Amino acid sequence: NAGVMQNPRHLVRRRGQEARLRCSPMKGHSHVYWYRQLPEEGLKFMVYLQKENIIDESGMPKERFSAEFPKEGPSILRIQQVVRGDSAAYFCASSPQDTQYFGPGTRLTVL
Amino acid sequence: TQLLEQSPQFLSIQEGENLTVYCNSSSVFSSLQWYRQEPGEGPVLLVTVVTGGEVKKLKRLTFQFGDARKDSSLHITAAQPGDTGLYLCAPPNQAGTALIFGKGTTLSVSS
Repeated sequence: NAGVMQNPRHLVRRRGQEARLRCSPMKGHSHVYWYRQLPEEGLKFMVYLQKENIIDESGMPKERFSAEFPKEGPSILRIQQVVRGDSAAYFCASSPQDTQYFGPGTRLTVL
Repeated sequence: TQLLEQSPQFLSIQEGENLTVYCNSSSVFSSLQWYRQEPGEGPVLLVTVVTGGEVKKLKRLTFQFGDARKDSSLHITAAQPGDTGLYLCAPPNQAGTALIFGKGTTLSVSS
């Protein structure tokens, strides 16, 4: 059973561009969580999704950020008009129920 | 929000040394989880401690849950370079809720 997969592993964007981060959960997992990790802040929850539904987006900035988990295909975290402060490692985790299994992360650098 | 304080924030030691890192809170937890995040990867669950006073061993790692279930410690015996990473604690989440991590202890073991 393959683990949680994220791509790309590294992403470089210029200010104002869009970043699309993909997460393929483990087989059979219907819960996906996105977290952001900044050196000074630690690992923080952003959004929790089940298939086709956003359940909790309390940790996600209200503007420029969106997430989806379509019926088919990976979960996508989308950041529009990126700014330097968006530079961070973004992790997704998938879960069958409660235990969460993390992917290797996408490291976003905004120039 | 249950606040978790982890200490020390950074620890740099030589191979073969012993070390202890701590996870403290003013709140009582039903249980506590420890994760290790290796450089460039996502967090991986190491152990869940459940009972006050419980001690769990994972090879050279010894995890202890405080009697009052407010704190936990991780002791590593004869540290190796492969132990290098970020050690995080978090109370386990219920299904559909996010993990809330402490800021972690960054451990560096040099040979």
